Amino acid sequence: GAGVSQSPSNKVTEKGKDVELRCDPISGHTALYWYRQSLGQGLEFLIYFQGNSAPDKSGLPSDRFSAERTGGSVSTLTIQRTQQEDSAVYLCASSPDYSDEQYFGPGTRLTVT
Amino acid sequence: DAKTTQPNSMESNEEEPVHLPCNHSTISGTDYIHWYRQLPSQGPEYVIHGLTSNVNNRMASLAIAEDRKSSTLILHRATLRDAAVYYCILRSSGTYKYIFGTGTRLKVLA
Repeated sequence: GAGVSQSPSNKVTEKGKDVELRCDPISGHTALYWYRQSLGQGLEFLIYFQGNSAPDKSGLPSDRFSAERTGGSVSTLTIQRTQQEDSAVYLCASSPDYSDEQYFGPGTRLTVT
Repeated sequence: DAKTTQPNSMESNEEEPVHLPCNHSTISGTDYIHWYRQLPSQGPEYVIHGLTSNVNNRMASLAIAEDRKSSTLILHRATLRDAAVYYCILRSSGTYKYIFGTGTRLKVLA
């Protein structure tokens, strides 16, 4: 079946603009995660959604970052007033109910100029 | 959050076994040990996880020390396709917040 998809694959934006990154999880997966990966670094946890529970937002680096998940499926990560340090690959993953196996999408490469 | 320590890089010859170590001396009794790997220009993929007992699956084996302060991911026969960054991660029971470190970059020599 189809894997996790993310769009756009690449996004170049000017400093100060807002961006929206989209994640379509695997159908039926109740858990959804957002991470970001700066060049040459490991993954940084951002936020986690599980079913109808309140999301774990403890990894969001500032109040410029927010995420929502509509209808328990598609998720959007929004970065307001982008800064150059926001440049990174943003990865989305989904997993079945309380499973330890996450399936990652290909990522969105964000470049803030 | 419990922390893991891994070597920055390792090399292996093709078709030989590879033992990737991970130290987690501050692990708590309910922390699960997970391994993911990230091939070049791809998102990470799940490899294996365990709590106390050693685990085997089609990709690898996970050997967990008796005191759980360290673990080893074993690739039984490395192939060129196994060249990747391998991440050892601890997950606390009751949360699905995964804290990835910088991992071990495995190079497989033909």
